[in-house]
Amino acid sequence: NAGVTQTPKFQVLKTGQSMTLQCAQDMNHEYMSWYRQDPGMGLRLIHYSVGAGITDQGEVPNGYNVSRSTTEDFPLRLLSAAPSQTSVYFCASNPRSGGTDTQYFGPGTRLTVL
Amino acid sequence: AQSVTQLDSHVSVSEGTPVLLRCNYSSSYSPSLFWYVQHPNKGLQLLLKYTSAATLVKGINGFEAEFKKSETSFHLTKPSAHMSDAAEYFCVVNYRDDMRFGAGTRLTVKP
Repeated sequence: NAGVTQTPKFQVLKTGQSMTLQCAQDMNHEYMSWYRQDPGMGLRLIHYSVGAGITDQGEVPNGYNVSRSTTEDFPLRLLSAAPSQTSVYFCASNPRSGGTDTQYFGPGTRLTVL
Repeated sequence: AQSVTQLDSHVSVSEGTPVLLRCNYSSSYSPSLFWYVQHPNKGLQLLLKYTSAATLVKGINGFEAEFKKSETSFHLTKPSAHMSDAAEYFCVVNYRDDMRFGAGTRLTVKP
């Protein structure tokens, strides 16, 4: 198993550009989520999904869109990038929804918005 | 809404001495609680979790944590620090898929 994979590892954008961060898992996990990590603030939940076709907002959803068309993939879209979105982004998956399972994290994507 | 407060942003210990990383949580319900570790430029790894079974939870690498409902605390301890324990530690509260991370505690281990 590859676990949770994220692409790209690094990305530089200009303000106003759009892009999609890719996340995939090969463990048939029901639950997937996106976080951003900023210095001194820990990880903050952006969006999550409890299964294909079902998504919900986390703590900091503004400026981000998600969709879940398959169990394996959970892309994160930035429609119009802003400098405030400069951060490290982590994707994670759990076997099930409900909040008791261990989360498996991807290696992260470091995004810089100029 | 639920939240997590890690009481120390930085803890420094000498190798071989005990480690205590403090975490308080706020939740209207009975949450699940986790500790994760992040080594420099690496992803996050689960140390241990509490999900309403035994209140004293043992994790990997000699770490353990005790859930104290009356104090709304979930402090992480280790009897003897090792140089390889130097990392960032995150306390996490989870209720019905709404995961909230603490700001993190950076552990430094001196030789």
